Amino acid sequence: EVQLVESGGHLVQPGGSLRLSCVASGFTFNTYAFNWVRQAPGKGLEWVSGISPSGSSTFYADSVGGRFNISRDDSKKTVFLQMNSLRVEDTALYYCVRRNWCDIWGQGTMVTVSS
Amino acid sequence: DIQMTQSPATLSASVGDRVTITCRASQNIDKWLAWFQQKPGNAPKVLIYKASTLESGVPSRFSGSGSGTRFTLTISSLQPDDFATYFCQQYVTSSLSFGGGTRVEIK
Repeated sequence: EVQLVESGGHLVQPGGSLRLSCVASGFTFNTYAFNWVRQAPGKGLEWVSGISPSGSSTFYADSVGGRFNISRDDSKKTVFLQMNSLRVEDTALYYCVRRNWCDIWGQGTMVTVSS
Repeated sequence: DIQMTQSPATLSASVGDRVTITCRASQNIDKWLAWFQQKPGNAPKVLIYKASTLESGVPSRFSGSGSGTRFTLTISSLQPDDFATYFCQQYVTSSLSFGGGTRVEIK
């Protein structure tokens, strides 16, 4: 079964850090681009970051640039999102998605930034 | 950045109705557009990509059209399972962006 499973979401204080992980299964991991998309409670979808199949190109929304870092480990079939200097407005459900047209979605991992 | 604008924000319709949702891009995105359906508590699910290509397993009552800056998602005969929120998304560049969503509710 083609699947993405996210983990790492947590309650963290403003200014803190978190590392999200997304483990893939059921397909050839190293041939696909991946993205992180978030959804604040009751709100729409916001693209956060993306990484190319080779990992050589990474992309970030203006709202997270300089604070977040996306990476991948093909040997572990895992995509990571390192989130630093977290803000209250980063509170959201974070989804890992495959491809730029988002054909496969994980179930999401919740990040709550609050004091 | 490319801005995506959906209309209407909310749509009230009855089972059997033909429903059309519009998505406009702030610049030319050719046919690099996808449509998603999201139900409460669930992740979005892709319905259509490349503006008009139906994803495998998606019912044929869903169709997409358009190119450039104006796109539509049409549900030919609304079914009870179709009451949900729909999003469009452009992927002409690697900086993706989504429309604000259209909630389809029961009239």
